[in-house]
Amino acid sequence: KAGVTQTPRYLIKTRGQQVTLSCSPISGHRSVSWYQQTPGQGLQFLFEYFSETQRNKGNFPGRFSGRQFSNSRSEMNVSTLELGDSALYLCASSPDRGRNTIYFGEGSWLTVV
Amino acid sequence: DQQVKQNSPSLSVQEGRISILNCDYTNSMFDYFLWYKKYPAEGPTFLISISSIKDKNEDGRFTVFLNKSAKHLSLHIVPSQPGDSAVYFCAASSYQNTGNQFYFGTGTSLTVIP
Repeated sequence: KAGVTQTPRYLIKTRGQQVTLSCSPISGHRSVSWYQQTPGQGLQFLFEYFSETQRNKGNFPGRFSGRQFSNSRSEMNVSTLELGDSALYLCASSPDRGRNTIYFGEGSWLTVV
Repeated sequence: DQQVKQNSPSLSVQEGRISILNCDYTNSMFDYFLWYKKYPAEGPTFLISISSIKDKNEDGRFTVFLNKSAKHLSLHIVPSQPGDSAVYFCAASSYQNTGNQFYFGTGTSLTVIP
């Protein structure tokens, strides 16, 4: 079974631009969540989608948004990029409704210059 | 406010000995816990879970202990191997959440010395 796939793996953007990251969950998984990892901060929860609906949202500004498609694939978007948005963005999927173990992809490394 | 804390940023252990990684939490509504291992430039890999109805869960060389009264969990790796050298994260979820929102610690970097 293929794991969680994230694209692109690495990208460099300029301050003020916007970026879209993509995530394909494990086949059959319907929950997709996104996390941001910065040095010394651990993983910070961004949001979770289930059946195309945002189910939970973390404490991030409105510049961070996401969506989920009918095939459970998900995208997250960051608008008006700031230097502090440079981070590893991780997508995780889990099988179904309710609380489960979440399985991570390799992540997308975003550098904002 | 960091609700899950891993107070030891790093730990070194000799190969073959026991590695003990600790995690503390502040939210008494956390009732489901996960441990992950992360190598550089890779995503976190799930290791083991425990729910609050148990105080211990084992999977091969990995055992997680949960002390609910102390709001403390620990991951034991026995015997430790050089391939275990990685950053370990603990994560917690609250029964108030209907979905999969996890709070992570900042990680402990384990080095297993051959």
